[in-house]
Amino acid sequence: TQLLEQSPQFLSIQEGENLTVYCNSSSVFSSLQWYRQEPGEGPVLLVTVVTGGEVKKLKRLTFQFGDARKDSSLHITAAQPGDTGLYLCAGASGTYKYIFGTGTRLKVLA
Amino acid sequence: ETGVTQSPTHLIKTRGQQVTLRCSSQSGHNTVSWYQQALGQGPQFIFQYYREEENGRGNFPPRFSGLQFPNYSSELNVNALELDDSALYLCASRGGSYGYTFGSGTRLTVV
Repeated sequence: TQLLEQSPQFLSIQEGENLTVYCNSSSVFSSLQWYRQEPGEGPVLLVTVVTGGEVKKLKRLTFQFGDARKDSSLHITAAQPGDTGLYLCAGASGTYKYIFGTGTRLKVLA
Repeated sequence: ETGVTQSPTHLIKTRGQQVTLRCSSQSGHNTVSWYQQALGQGPQFIFQYYREEENGRGNFPPRFSGLQFPNYSSELNVNALELDDSALYLCASRGGSYGYTFGSGTRLTVV
């Protein structure tokens, strides 16, 4: 059974701090996505990484795919209250299914 | 038409009843997936449809079934509802590129 474990599960930080969220698995994924979900809404796609070692930047967010395509990280620089939400990683399993991680709930305090 | 819309947004049903949830996918997206998200958890894959045929299924019993229609709409049907079926049900569509576009979900409560 493929599993994606995210850490930490919960994170509460002050505005302006930096943070890193991790997504780990023992399985290899062909691609991996990061989503952010706000209460009462569906997940919104932030980025897709495909190549081992790939790094993508989205404003203050930096995403990295592990060399072996088994893990990924999300780094946020100078967090803002608007970054608050549930961050989910999802790995592509085969051609039709995405396995979602357990989620990291981030709260950024003003 | 852009975006994925789901209806209803909230629903309360009694244990043993049947429910149909609806999703209108983004135009041109031939792939639609349904996920169940329990409170505080990540979404769990239920099944996926491609051009009106089911082409993948997660670890859900047969009482979870679906349909996809030519007009990019789809349905999730759940028979013999159980208390543990209470969750947020998400529909997501994909048009060939990586990543899904999710709807806002239907919050189902079974009492």
